Amino acid sequence: EAGVAQSPRYKIIEKRQSVAFWCNPISGHATLYWYQQILGQGPKLLIQFQNNGVVDDSQLPKDRFSAERLKGVDSTLKIQPAKLEDSAVYLCASRQIRRRDTEAFFGQGTRLTVV
Amino acid sequence: AQSVTQLDSHVSVSEGTPVLLRCNYSSSYSPSLFWYVQHPNKGLQLLLKYTSAATLVKGINGFEAEFKKSETSFHLTKPSAHMSDAAEYFCVVSALNAGGTSYGKLTFGQGTILTVHP
Repeated sequence: EAGVAQSPRYKIIEKRQSVAFWCNPISGHATLYWYQQILGQGPKLLIQFQNNGVVDDSQLPKDRFSAERLKGVDSTLKIQPAKLEDSAVYLCASRQIRRRDTEAFFGQGTRLTVV
Repeated sequence: AQSVTQLDSHVSVSEGTPVLLRCNYSSSYSPSLFWYVQHPNKGLQLLLKYTSAATLVKGINGFEAEFKKSETSFHLTKPSAHMSDAAEYFCVVSALNAGGTSYGKLTFGQGTILTVHP
């Protein structure tokens, strides 16, 4: 089966600019996650969708970050305006939670550098 | 609330020697536990998962993990390290509430970088 697709793979922007990331999950997966992975740290959950509804966005910096999931399939994550500390890898994952031990599948991530 | 603590940020072993990566978890409900591996410039790949069917779990590439509820631990082991095992490893906890209405928040540990020397 096709995996989780993310684009772009790399992005370099100047601070105060805006940027958007795209994620296409595995077909049929109702749950979609966006994680931020800063160098040297474990991934931190930004937002979790169940179909097109938000389940958890408690750690999303809502003053600058936004995310949507259109029709419960693809998702975009936007940062506006970007700060230097937003430099990180942004990971998208999808999961079809039939049981509590169902695994999540991750994309390769988008590496963002803010200069 | 749930959390994961990986007790070592770096582990260094020689090729052919055993590997032990330690993970302790905290969860309000019966957890599911996973180990993922991340090779440089690659996506996260599942190594193994705890399914509650057995406390000793076997994964890919010769890795194993043992779930110990009394110690709230899920340590990852491998009898003999290979150079290709060099990567970063993440312990992950997922918990559903008793009613099954919580949709599986995945919480990651800080990661353990495994270095394998020839």
